[in-house]
Amino acid sequence: EDQVTQSPEALRLQEGESSSLNCSYTVSGLRGLFWYRQDPGKGPEFLFTLYSAGEEKEKERLKATLTKKESFLHITAPKPEDSATYLCAVQNGGFKTIFGAGTRLFVKA
Amino acid sequence: GAVVSQHPSRVICKSGTSVKIECRSLDFQATTMFWYRQFPKKSLMLMATSNEGSKATYEQGVEKDKFLINHASLTLSTLTVTSAHPEDSSFYICSAQLPTSGSTDTQYFGPGTRLTVL
Repeated sequence: EDQVTQSPEALRLQEGESSSLNCSYTVSGLRGLFWYRQDPGKGPEFLFTLYSAGEEKEKERLKATLTKKESFLHITAPKPEDSATYLCAVQNGGFKTIFGAGTRLFVKA
Repeated sequence: GAVVSQHPSRVICKSGTSVKIECRSLDFQATTMFWYRQFPKKSLMLMATSNEGSKATYEQGVEKDKFLINHASLTLSTLTVTSAHPEDSSFYICSAQLPTSGSTDTQYFGPGTRLTVL
């Protein structure tokens, strides 16, 4: 069964304290892995799509990487405005998208 | 690009009434849209997949007669919560799917609709 597991469930950082969020997956026929950011009371905002192992993408303080079993979202020198829930999702060979439960990130000034 | 809107953003209604939520893809055409429900501090729960010109596909446990979905055009899908009850109070989010490569479709989400049933 296709599955996405995100860890940790919640992460508290001090401003400037770099860290990584993990997304482990098992999927039949990976077509793509997605990262989204969701603020409270808002819909998820698309961040990245990764298509194959070894691929990396960056956007401001965020960098997403992909292996055959997991993806990491690295946050470099985070700021309080980076506080949000980060969702990971995979699309399988049948074009079905499976979402993880998310990691809630809190960055304290 | 890839902007999705939802209307209304908030709605309060009395128990027993019906509520319609609209989801529009503003700058692209979407043959497939999705409707999700989200409880506080929980992840997205897929309710149904909406395909333009055909009947929606509902996930197990979702009542199709209660949550009516219409995807009448390539830019508009609607979710109608019929005979709403307090337990239907939730955050409803739609997404529209856009092919982003030869083998992958990416979902772009609307801002969500907060439904409160009194």
